[in-house]
Amino acid sequence: DIQMTQSPSTLSASVGDRVTITCRASQSISSWLAWYQQKPGKAPKLLIYKASSLEGGVPSRFSGSGSGTEFTLTISSLQPDDFATYYCQQYNRYRTFGGGTKVEIK
Amino acid sequence: QVQLVQSGAEVKKPGASVKVSCKASGYTFTGYYIHWVRQAPGQGLEWMGRINPNSGDTNYAQNFQGRVTMTGDTSINTAYLELNRLRSDDTAVYYCARDRTWFPFDYWGQGTLVTVSS
Repeated sequence: DIQMTQSPSTLSASVGDRVTITCRASQSISSWLAWYQQKPGKAPKLLIYKASSLEGGVPSRFSGSGSGTEFTLTISSLQPDDFATYYCQQYNRYRTFGGGTKVEIK
Repeated sequence: QVQLVQSGAEVKKPGASVKVSCKASGYTFTGYYIHWVRQAPGQGLEWMGRINPNSGDTNYAQNFQGRVTMTGDTSINTAYLELNRLRSDDTAVYYCARDRTWFPFDYWGQGTLVTVSS
């Protein structure tokens, strides 16, 4: 099975900050990586697919990069609506999620 | 519009089984996989497995092998998750989601809370 390791697990930041979350795969997944945002009591929402492609309707302050085993999600200028938990997911073979990163208000 | 609508909350005793449904609308049901993902209280997302509604083929995560069954009924565009021999640590919100090969999950159900308690 492919394991996904996300870091950090919690991140404290302020509105306007640049935020970076890292995801590492236990083996190469090419670019078959997605990022989701989840708010309490809601289903996850797709932000990024194929490592760096922005889903329609997602603000351009979100961006993704990486390939192989190392990936990052960047929020260029954190907005109040962005305080949430973020998950990476590989879809190279079956599906696996990272452990999540909770972005909190500093 | 695409919708995945799940059945309501369940309360079960340890050792029992639960069956959760996911009714799809707004797209060709047989054209997408249906996956099941669960989230224990305060925890992360855990992939349980998937079904190809067109063929009925399934793939289950190792953690659930032997205890889970995923089925689909193409006549009513509905997928089902059945989990047996429930334990207290199966208490979670269970989500269905759809995707296609080489695409991520683009639509999710609203989630179904399953509580396992004596």
